Amino acid sequence: ETGVTQSPTHLIKTRGQQVTLRCSSQSGHNTVSWYQQALGQGPQFIFQYYREEENGRGNFPPRFSGLQFPNYSSELNVNALELDDSALYLCASSRGTGSYEQYFGPGTRLTVT
Amino acid sequence: GENVEQHPSTLSVQEGDSAVIKCTYSDSASNYFPWYKQELGKRPQLIIDIRSNVGEKKDQRIAVTLNKTAKHFSLHITETQPEDSAVYFCAASIEGSQGNLIFGKGTKLSVKP
Repeated sequence: ETGVTQSPTHLIKTRGQQVTLRCSSQSGHNTVSWYQQALGQGPQFIFQYYREEENGRGNFPPRFSGLQFPNYSSELNVNALELDDSALYLCASSRGTGSYEQYFGPGTRLTVT
Repeated sequence: GENVEQHPSTLSVQEGDSAVIKCTYSDSASNYFPWYKQELGKRPQLIIDIRSNVGEKKDQRIAVTLNKTAKHFSLHITETQPEDSAVYFCAASIEGSQGNLIFGKGTKLSVKP
């Protein structure tokens, strides 16, 4: 059984640019949730994807968007990057929506300069 | 919306002692309470969870208790070891919220040899 993977590991972007982060879910999981973790804070829910549709969204602006593919992998896209977007972006996969165990990937560290 | 508060923010114990971390939640509809351990530079790792239909759950040296009336839950680690040193996060999820986990701000546990 393969775990959750994410790419890239680190990324440096300039304010105003766009970025795409990728996540492969754990084998047997069909749901991917994305979280933003600022330094010294707990993860904050961005949104969740289930069966290729957005299935819930946290308090993040529309410039944060995503996709899920038929193999359940997922992308997080952030447009018009701001300095405050600098954070660790984590994806978590689960067997379904609702109160299922969520298993996290290693994260992508995004730095916006 | 749901709010999760976690205490203490830092905890230092001697090896072999017990450690207790406490969390409170605001929404009585919350029904799933996982705990994650995050070592420096690594992914959050699910270590134990509890659902609202049980009051206590144990897994070797780790236990979690839930008091639905008081809306608080706690993580208990017995016979602590240096490798238990990490940041621990509690989280809560509301039934029907698409598994949106609301995290506490974390507790940095240091176990001194």
